Amino acid sequence: DTGVSQDPRHKITKRGQNVTFRCDPISEHNRLYWYRQTLGQGPEFLTYFQNEAQLEKSRLLSDRFSAERPKGSFSTLEIQRTEQGDSAMYLCASSPRGKRDTEAFFGQGTRLTVV
Amino acid sequence: GEDVEQSLFLSVREGDSSVINCTYTDSSSTYLYWYKQEPGAGLQLLTYIFSNMDMKQDQRLTVLLNKKDKHLSLRIADTQTGDSAIYFCAESTQYGNNRLAFGKGNQVVVIP
Repeated sequence: DTGVSQDPRHKITKRGQNVTFRCDPISEHNRLYWYRQTLGQGPEFLTYFQNEAQLEKSRLLSDRFSAERPKGSFSTLEIQRTEQGDSAMYLCASSPRGKRDTEAFFGQGTRLTVV
Repeated sequence: GEDVEQSLFLSVREGDSSVINCTYTDSSSTYLYWYKQEPGAGLQLLTYIFSNMDMKQDQRLTVLLNKKDKHLSLRIADTQTGDSAIYFCAESTQYGNNRLAFGKGNQVVVIP
């Protein structure tokens, strides 16, 4: 198992463009999380999936953001009409079901720069 | 609501112990975590403690929890240059064990 994988690692986009990020969780992990981390801050929760169901969304997730996990495996996070304030590291995490559900494993993140 | 506070910077000599502190506000937190983040990397889970415990030791790491004061600390014994990183404490929230609220992080620099 190679851990949580995120793609791309870096993305530079012009303001107003749409971007999409992908997260592949650890296989058989049924829970998947998206966090956003801005410079000098800790990660902030964005949204959470259990299997294919999106169970929780933060107030930070404006209507320009949409996340999907269509088959309960990989997930995508799309940002439409990007703004400079969207520049951040977007982190994905996954956790298993059962007794070990306390352990969340993070990917390397996708660093987005909006110019 | 959740609010996790950490001090910002710690410099320590190689071989010494380092202690990182954190305070949190959500008394309903079930688990408290310590994560490590190296430059350009994601977060690595170091250890976590259940809220009904006072202390947990894991090799060079010792976690102390003072639930009354909502204070969490991480002690790293025999600090090594590979321990240079940003350390985040995080609390689970009322919304579930893995919906975490993180502090701003504490940068640890180990001087050889």
